Amino acid sequence: QVQLQESGPGLVKPSETLSLTCTVSGGSVSSGSYFWSWIRQSPGKGLEWIGFIYYSGSTNYNPSLKSRVTISVDTSKNQFSLRLSSVTAADTAVYHCARRGGGGRAFDIWGQGTMVTVSS
Amino acid sequence: DIQMTQSPSSVSASVGDRVTITCRASQGISSWLAWYQQKPGKAPKLLIYAASSLQSGVPSRFSGSGSGTDFTLTISSLQPEDFATYYCQQASSFPRTFGQGTKVEIK
Repeated sequence: QVQLQESGPGLVKPSETLSLTCTVSGGSVSSGSYFWSWIRQSPGKGLEWIGFIYYSGSTNYNPSLKSRVTISVDTSKNQFSLRLSSVTAADTAVYHCARRGGGGRAFDIWGQGTMVTVSS
Repeated sequence: DIQMTQSPSSVSASVGDRVTITCRASQGISSWLAWYQQKPGKAPKLLIYAASSLQSGVPSRFSGSGSGTDFTLTISSLQPEDFATYYCQQASSFPRTFGQGTKVEIK
């Protein structure tokens, strides 16, 4: 079955750029049926949708983060990635990648999540 | 943004109890609502989509209802593995938003 796995640094310094990758196994990121998403979770803000990308490269971002977010897809590696610039302590969270698929536009498959701490 | 408000924020219940969780949207979202279950240290798991459709593999004791602004998730007979936090999420408009969560605890 389809599985998602996040990878990337667990510690990022303030003002730097957070970079994470999600590797898709058991399925293809090039499938036209799905959108590939990033969602983060912190004690203070709960679950927060960051944005998603279609295999063609079309994106949609949360306006609250749009000026700092880039989501990209690499179909040759079956991966998609998140870059969040100018991070602060408020960006400390568990970052999940997820697939928006199936019915109801819901997120039907999630990665286990990776903790990212912003600290000097 | 559409605000999603869940109630209660926590509920204490016993095995076999019927549990109902409510989610209210700040504006109408038709039936574009999903429910997730999350256990500590794990990713959220999709339970219900389109307000009332049961995700494949999810036990039938879970059910969802509602449309417009008011929705409910019901667990008909609480099982030990159901103690977790539950979230609603609207899929009507961007940005997608989640409720703050309802923790179901052992009484």
